[in-house]
Amino acid sequence: GIQVEQSPPDLILQEGANSTLRCNFSDSVNNLQWFHQNPWGQLINLFYIPSGTKQNGRLSATTVATERYSLLYISSSQTTDSGVYFCAVTAGGTSYGKLTFGQGTILTVHP
Amino acid sequence: DSGVTQTPKHLITATGQRVTLRCSPRSGDLSVYWYQQSLDQGLQFLIQYYNGEERAKGNILERFSAQQFPDLHSELNLSSLELGDSALYFCASSVGGYADTQYFGPGTRLTVL
Repeated sequence: GIQVEQSPPDLILQEGANSTLRCNFSDSVNNLQWFHQNPWGQLINLFYIPSGTKQNGRLSATTVATERYSLLYISSSQTTDSGVYFCAVTAGGTSYGKLTFGQGTILTVHP
Repeated sequence: DSGVTQTPKHLITATGQRVTLRCSPRSGDLSVYWYQQSLDQGLQFLIQYYNGEERAKGNILERFSAQQFPDLHSELNLSSLELGDSALYFCASSVGGYADTQYFGPGTRLTVL
């Protein structure tokens, strides 16, 4: 099946810093989503971005489907950005809606 | 709030027991998905239903079963529970059954003692 690799595994920032999280995938995808899992365990939808670029406030994401990677940018980080960021993809073909998740990037933002 | 509801939020039970987790999708969504999150396996897809029918199956154990009812809510049944079944179980929903945005519920945290 499709493989999803995220980097870095851990990231520690001071409040106000910027960061880039990367997601590599091994095959063509029909769906790519970025999620934030907060300290209470909730999975929050950040972006649906199988290709192209999107922005939402301090967050933006870019997926280059032909090169099989996606990037999540966090600018002016805040302590509330702490948590685990997951990239998840649906492979092409007959995967229907099955999302395959990466192992996540653990982000810690210090005040 | 994603609009997906899951009950119960927490469940503590003993090995060998059976439990049922319930999920109500967002209004208008026809697909329901179940995922398991454990420390050693990460987030894993279990099963997908679309408008009452099973659409895709992942690494779901034979001791686990699910169904989607005519009102589109879904239940995940876990039987003969083992310690290793302790995990966070998420339900997600989407409008269609293919590559649509999936919205996740708050999860049910299952602890098997």
